[in-house]
Amino acid sequence: DIMMTQSPLSLSVAPGQAASISCKSDESLLKSDGKTYLYWYHQRPGQSPQLLIYEVSGRFFGVSDRFSGSGSATEFTLHISRVEAEDAGVYYCMQGRKLPLTFGGGTRLEIK
Amino acid sequence: DVQLEESGGGLVQPGGSLRLSCAVSGFTFRDFTMNWLRQTPGKGLEWLAYIDKTGEIIYYADSVQGRFTVSRDNARDTLYLHMDDLRVEDTAIYYCATWSDYWGQGTRVTVSS
Repeated sequence: DIMMTQSPLSLSVAPGQAASISCKSDESLLKSDGKTYLYWYHQRPGQSPQLLIYEVSGRFFGVSDRFSGSGSATEFTLHISRVEAEDAGVYYCMQGRKLPLTFGGGTRLEIK
Repeated sequence: DVQLEESGGGLVQPGGSLRLSCAVSGFTFRDFTMNWLRQTPGKGLEWLAYIDKTGEIIYYADSVQGRFTVSRDNARDTLYLHMDDLRVEDTAIYYCATWSDYWGQGTRVTVSS
């Protein structure tokens, strides 16, 4: 199984400031089709995870352009510019390179 | 709007069975592979099962292999998860999801005597 490791475990950011979350995999997520299967999700309390970023840097429908993703192979970053109150919650990375789908442990974002 | 709605969760005794359903709308169900996942405070997000578009290709996590059965009815736009021999550690919120894009809101399963 591909192991996904996120950091930090939590962070506290003031509104308007930027935030970054790191995700590392123990295998390359680049597939033979040329795509890298790394996804980012946001989960608010009581809700299911919502897709933010697909294939490292693709922004999903309706996702604010304050969210962006970067990275390659085994190291990835989610960037949030100008954090807002609605960004609070837990962020997860997920690899879709192969089954079993596996997730990072999550990063809790608190808005100061 | 895309919607995935799970149902069938509840309280069951160890060794018991449950069948979860996931009714979908807003997209062409038969064109999508589907997954079941679950979430617990202790183990986080865990993938459980995959089923291809026709239901011919299925994979399971080791933790549920032999106890859980995934199936789909493309005529009814519905995904199923039949769970047998339930254990206390199966207590979780269960989600249906496409490969990556859309998740349901989840249904809670509690296994307890």
